[in-house]
Amino acid sequence: DSGVTQTPKHLITATGQRVTLRCSPRSGDLSVYWYQQSLDQGLQFLIQYYNGEERAKGNILERFSAQQFPDLHSELNLSSLELGDSALYFCASSLGQGVSTEAFFGQGTRLTVV
Amino acid sequence: GESVGLHLPTLSVQEGDNSIINCAYSNSASDYFIWYKQESGKGPQFIIDIRSNMDKRQGQRVTVLLNKTVKHLSLQIAATQPGDSAVYFCAENIGVGGGTSYGKLTFGQGTILTVHP
Repeated sequence: DSGVTQTPKHLITATGQRVTLRCSPRSGDLSVYWYQQSLDQGLQFLIQYYNGEERAKGNILERFSAQQFPDLHSELNLSSLELGDSALYFCASSLGQGVSTEAFFGQGTRLTVV
Repeated sequence: GESVGLHLPTLSVQEGDNSIINCAYSNSASDYFIWYKQESGKGPQFIIDIRSNMDKRQGQRVTVLLNKTVKHLSLQIAATQPGDSAVYFCAENIGVGGGTSYGKLTFGQGTILTVHP
């Protein structure tokens, strides 16, 4: 158990809908990262927050947004969902904001868009 | 249309053998590299990292080698065990400058390692 909690574990929704994925980082970790893992694109970095502020951004679609709250949990919002958004979404956390601090991954949320 | 998934390289070894997993990275400006292990149904797990000012780093049963000339990274696992069976990813990071590299990692496609008892 990495100490990073993601909910829900599985999510099935229809095209056009909006969903929110939630991540609770390890106790004491200030950075949260979001990744998307799909069969055709592999593992892709989406975004990083550190202590409530955005720190780095990857190829995150405009339909997607994230935030980190004062209690350090984070949410990833996916809207106007398309079939191609079906993927595993991972959250990771680390103590520092630099990439060299070891990041611990949650078990992921499997999103299926039908 | 039909979805075409990534065809991951595979490596099959016998228990006790040494394994070498290779990775070609893309950006000559990358200055930090990490190897991750992902078991079925789990998130990636950090194995070992290396900075670009090094060419070798050793951990417990693992060694990472970095060849910046040809942009190549390898992970060596000594005395491979069935529990090492997983997908292994290399990841690279380009330093932002000012001494702090933020968390944007670019992952390779992964290699499936299967260890036979």
